[in-house]
Amino acid sequence: GAVVSQHPSWVICKSGTSVKIECRSLDFQATTMFWYRQFPKQSLMLMATSNEGSKATYEQGVEKDKFLINHASLTLSTLTVTSAHPEDSSFYICSARDLTLPSRYEQYFGPGTRLTVT
Amino acid sequence: AQTVTQSQPEMSVQEAETVTLSCTYDTSESNYYLFWYKQPPSRQMILVIRQEAYKQQNATENRFSVNFQKAAKSFSLKISDSQLGDTAMYFCALGNTGNQFYFGTGTSLTVIP
Repeated sequence: GAVVSQHPSWVICKSGTSVKIECRSLDFQATTMFWYRQFPKQSLMLMATSNEGSKATYEQGVEKDKFLINHASLTLSTLTVTSAHPEDSSFYICSARDLTLPSRYEQYFGPGTRLTVT
Repeated sequence: AQTVTQSQPEMSVQEAETVTLSCTYDTSESNYYLFWYKQPPSRQMILVIRQEAYKQQNATENRFSVNFQKAAKSFSLKISDSQLGDTAMYFCALGNTGNQFYFGTGTSLTVIP
């Protein structure tokens, strides 16, 4: 149980275009979803937290107009990287949490999306 | 403030031997969980083990066990009978009543055949 999927697993886009990454909780309701960015050989860096039906809360230094997050349902959150540039190339990971579960402090991670901007 | 510290950037162990990864943390919360995650080359985050702070008994999962020292705010991971598939980055994480996880900087473990 508690499976999170991400799509696509990898994407290449041209500079200036936008790309959308989907994160789905497959067998539970994700009351909260998180988006992380990870550079090679580094830890996960939290970008934003979103609760279903509410605006996302962005971490300091993360451009909310560039990284648009939508958590429209209890099973789906999307991250849209707008006007992508090569420096946005990274590994993006989503995770989800269900506060109704006994393990409510646990986050369930998606497999990640590798974004390359050319 | 919540912090998680992993002081060993890289470690190696011979196959079938035992290795211990260190983690210390700081939190003012009374309710929290501690986790060890494994991130193999595929980069999928895999939960290795979790520990509820209110439980004194150390968690174990097959070859993986923790030494949870609440007063010292220490949470080390012991891997017994190391296998080649254990080669990965290992992250210690703290989760509390707030929304966030706090991750350590990770330890890269290599199991040598």
